[in-house]
Amino acid sequence: ETGVTQSPTHLIKTRGQQVTLRCSSQSGHNTVSWYQQALGQGPQFIFQYYREEENGRGNFPPRFSGLQFPNYSSELNVNALELDDSALYLCASSAGQGRDEQFFGPGTRLTVL
Amino acid sequence: EDQVTQSPEALRLQEGESSSLNCSYTVSGLRGLFWYRQDPGKGPEFLFTLYSAGEEKEKERLKATLTKKESFLHITAPKPEDSATYLCAVQDFNKFYFGSGTKLNVKP
Repeated sequence: ETGVTQSPTHLIKTRGQQVTLRCSSQSGHNTVSWYQQALGQGPQFIFQYYREEENGRGNFPPRFSGLQFPNYSSELNVNALELDDSALYLCASSAGQGRDEQFFGPGTRLTVL
Repeated sequence: EDQVTQSPEALRLQEGESSSLNCSYTVSGLRGLFWYRQDPGKGPEFLFTLYSAGEEKEKERLKATLTKKESFLHITAPKPEDSATYLCAVQDFNKFYFGSGTKLNVKP
């Protein structure tokens, strides 16, 4: 059974640029969630995708957007990067259908200069 | 507005010294409460799901319990390898709220 994978591992961008982060869900999982984790804080929920549709969203501006593909992999896109966007971005997948425990990937460390 | 509050922020224990971590929450429609362990530089590792007050789950030295407004993670006779940050999360409909975690350090 393959776990959740994310790419890239690390990324450095400058303010105003755009970034795309990628996630492959665990085998058999159809639901993907994205989180932002600042240093020393708990993960903050960005949004969740279920069968290619956004299924829930946290308090993040529209410049944070996402996609889920037919194979249930997912992308997180962030436009007009700000310094405060520097964080660990985590992807988590779950099996859905009432089984909501989420399994996390290793994360992408984004640094905005 | 904090949805999930964890205490203490940090906890130092001697090996074998049992203790409990607390997670209190305020959500309108609790669908589940989750405990995770996170090691430095890694993604959270799933430990337990609790769905209703009175429910308990156990795994090795860890036991999680749930009441209507809080959950406890009891650690019995901890070992140095239990050192990590323990995160609590609640699911309110289709949103998830995490606490800031308790950083546990177990000294040999």
